[in-house]
Amino acid sequence: ETGVTQTPRHLVMGMTNKKSLKCEQHLGHNAMYWYKQSAKKPLELMFVYSLEERVENNSVPSRFSPECPNSSHLFLHLHTLQPEDSALYLCASSQEGLATSTNTEAFFGQGTRLTVV
Amino acid sequence: AQTVTQSQPEMSVQEAETVTLSCTYDTSESDYYLFWYKQPPSRQMILVIRQEAYKQQNATENRFSVNFQKAAKSFSLKISDSQLGDAAMYFCAYTDYGNKLVFGAGTILRVKS
Repeated sequence: ETGVTQTPRHLVMGMTNKKSLKCEQHLGHNAMYWYKQSAKKPLELMFVYSLEERVENNSVPSRFSPECPNSSHLFLHLHTLQPEDSALYLCASSQEGLATSTNTEAFFGQGTRLTVV
Repeated sequence: AQTVTQSQPEMSVQEAETVTLSCTYDTSESDYYLFWYKQPPSRQMILVIRQEAYKQQNATENRFSVNFQKAAKSFSLKISDSQLGDAAMYFCAYTDYGNKLVFGAGTILRVKS
């Protein structure tokens, strides 16, 4: 356990469904991230929240909507997804920016395996 | 834009032997950090080792060490005395003074007994 918890671990949803992924960290970190891991592709950074403000949005389709209500929780709201959105979605957290401290590292959750049918 | 390239989709090593995983990156920054992360079948990403670009000395963590060649923009990971528990997907990653951690595509490491 790294201190970052993601739920659910597995999710199967239809293209017309609405669901949400949840990420929770109790490490005292103030930056949280969503990554998408697809087969045979590099990990893709989707969103970054720092001090509860979105600081990065990497041209992610609007069918993915992040929410960061406080520094410990991060959500990814999903609606009208496509089959190509099937992937492992990883949440991570860190203290401040990743490169502002010599001891900074990103801690990852175990991911949510999403299948869109 | 920064990019990270791992040219070895898959590697195999015999238990107790040494294996080197390759990573190259592209950046115009002079100050940055490089990481190797391990992702076992449990899917949990775990930090293996990190290197600050301003440090000339290669980082080491027990059986794990890196060969950091800044001019060549190369950052390879050496695993000595390989163990069955080392079998995993290994990701090379880069970050500078933003909040972006850029990953390579990963290398699957198989350890044979």
